[in-house]
Amino acid sequence: SSELTQDPAVSVALGQTVRITCQGDSPRNFYASWYQQKPGQAPVLLIYGKNTRPSWIPDRFSGSSSGNTASLTITGAQAEDEADYYCNFRDPSGDHPGVFATVTKVTVL
Amino acid sequence: QVLLVQSGGGLVKPGGSLRLSCSASGFTFSDYYMSWIRQAPGKGLEWVSYISSDGTSLYYPDSVKGRFTISRDNAKNSLYLQMTSLRAEDTAIYYCAREGYEFGDGYYYYGMDVWGQGTTVTVSS
Repeated sequence: SSELTQDPAVSVALGQTVRITCQGDSPRNFYASWYQQKPGQAPVLLIYGKNTRPSWIPDRFSGSSSGNTASLTITGAQAEDEADYYCNFRDPSGDHPGVFATVTKVTVL
Repeated sequence: QVLLVQSGGGLVKPGGSLRLSCSASGFTFSDYYMSWIRQAPGKGLEWVSYISSDGTSLYYPDSVKGRFTISRDNAKNSLYLQMTSLRAEDTAIYYCAREGYEFGDGYYYYGMDVWGQGTTVTVSS
């Protein structure tokens, strides 16, 4: 099975920008989705598809990808952005739910 | 209001069985793929099953294949997960999720945009 790698923890000062990366083990056709999870809560979808953001997600969250790496950027981090973040890679040509990476814990200082 | 409400779960002995349910409201359930995802204590997310909108396409990872069965009843707007031969490592919070989608470049792109509240499954003697 494919392996996805995320940094286990990152920190960002309030109001600053932070980028979380998710790297696949080999270049391939994929798209990434990103999820935020706070303690005791279900995950929330932040980005999916062609870096689409659901309407209820603030525009400070954005996604991008290059090669076998996807990135989630938080521009102007807020205190409420302190959470766990997961990426998921899927092949758009396959009927398969893809794989989740290990978590990145984001701390807002 | 778009909502997924879960039921089922609880404490079960190793080798036992359990059935989880997920009731959908506020959207056309039969239009969407659905998934079950679990999270073991202190661990990350793991897909455990996935079903197409008409129920004909299913996915299971090796960790649950042959033990778990996903199903849906579109007439009742409900999703199910039948779990058998449960093991201690199946202990987790189980979530149902809707596979939201967009279409572009000839492909469907999916993201789990609506989640149930989660239900705890504990496998222990």
